[in-house]
This record gives sequence, C-alpha cells and structure tokens, in this order.
Amino acid sequence: LAKTTQPISMDSYEGQEVNITCSHNNIATNDYITWYQQFPSQGPRFIIQGYKTKVTNEVASLFIPADRKSSTLSLPRVSLSDTAVYYCLVGDGDSSYKLIFGSGTRLLVRP
Amino acid sequence: EAQVTQNPRYLITVTGKKLTVTCSQNMNHEYMSWYRQDPGLGLRQIYYSMNVEVTDKGDVPEGYKVSRKEKRNFPLILESPSPNQTSLYFCASTKGLWDNEQFFGPGTRLTVL
Repeated sequence: LAKTTQPISMDSYEGQEVNITCSHNNIATNDYITWYQQFPSQGPRFIIQGYKTKVTNEVASLFIPADRKSSTLSLPRVSLSDTAVYYCLVGDGDSSYKLIFGSGTRLLVRP
Repeated sequence: EAQVTQNPRYLITVTGKKLTVTCSQNMNHEYMSWYRQDPGLGLRQIYYSMNVEVTDKGDVPEGYKVSRKEKRNFPLILESPSPNQTSLYFCASTKGLWDNEQFFGPGTRLTVL
C-alpha cells in the first residue's frame, strides 16, 4: 500500500509564498500526483496535478522530482482565503485504481 | 450544472438499521469513489468503481457495500451500521481512470447511535 507523509500544519502571512511537501512511496508508476484544497464542511476541491517535473496553473505550481518520491505544492502570494487543509493524492503502487490521500496539511494564513 | 449530489446530507440512525446513501453525477464520468473522513485520519477510500458493474475495495471497505448498475449512480450501503461508522462521507467522480481530478459531492454526515 502506498504511504504518504505531510506536515500537520503550517503558518504563513499574506503575500508570502507557501510550499507544502508530501512524501510518498510505493505509488503507481503511471498515475498522476494530485493536490486538493478543503474548507470546513465542504468536499475537497482539485488544485493541480502532474506526473513529473513542474506543472503550473493559475493558482499553484507543482514540483515533482524524477524519482516521484515526493511532490511540492507551491502557492504564490497567499491570501487569508487560502487558509484551508491541503491534501496530496496518489495512486497505490499495488493497485493503481486505488487512491490514497495524504493526511492533510492545515495552512493558516495570517494578516 | 456539472455536479455530484449525495443524499441524505445528514443522518442519525441506530446500530443495525440498514441504510443507503445515494450518490449521483451528471458528467458521464467513468470512475466513482466513496470516502470517509475522520478527525486525524484524513480521507480514506472505501470503495471505487471503474465503470458500470465494476467495483473494488479501497482502503477501508469493511462494513460497506456498493453497486454500480448505472454509470451515473453509485450508492453506498451499510447493511448493519455500527457506531464506528459514524463519520463524514464523500462521494466523488472522475472523468477517466488515469485522471485524478475528482469532483466531490457535498458530503453526508452520518451518526450511528
């Protein structure tokens, strides 16, 4: 079974760049690594996904090294509304249709 | 509007009384999942379905059943609920098997007394 590790919490200030790293092993070799954002009482919301190297969209960047044993979500210039829990999601290396969420990182953005 | 719907949103029941939580998506997605979310444990996959009549166990399938008779619907069945199944449940769907951009429903908060 794939295993993932994320920091439990992080603090930041408005306008700063935040990087959240997820370590993962035994993940599916041909599957995306994906990140989600979740606010209280809501379902997770897709942020970004990638396979290797760097992917960027309008809200975040995702860095994945060649060995795919980790991934780093980068949020540029965070605002108060980015306060949320962030999860990585990977496919299981033993059964790639099975999906494994990380334990989540609670990000607090202060004014 | 593209969405995943779940019903009921809130449910309080008693041990042993069979219940079904419905999930429906209107995006013609192939892959659907059920998750439970518990404090300190994050989101854990219960069951998933790759297509109609094709389902498989996720990380925590014990005590649950699912079916996928139609592409749009993926109900979660608790034949004999127990208090340790008190949790927040989410249904999700994905366009294809290798696409992890999941669309989540609003959640069902279940309490089993």
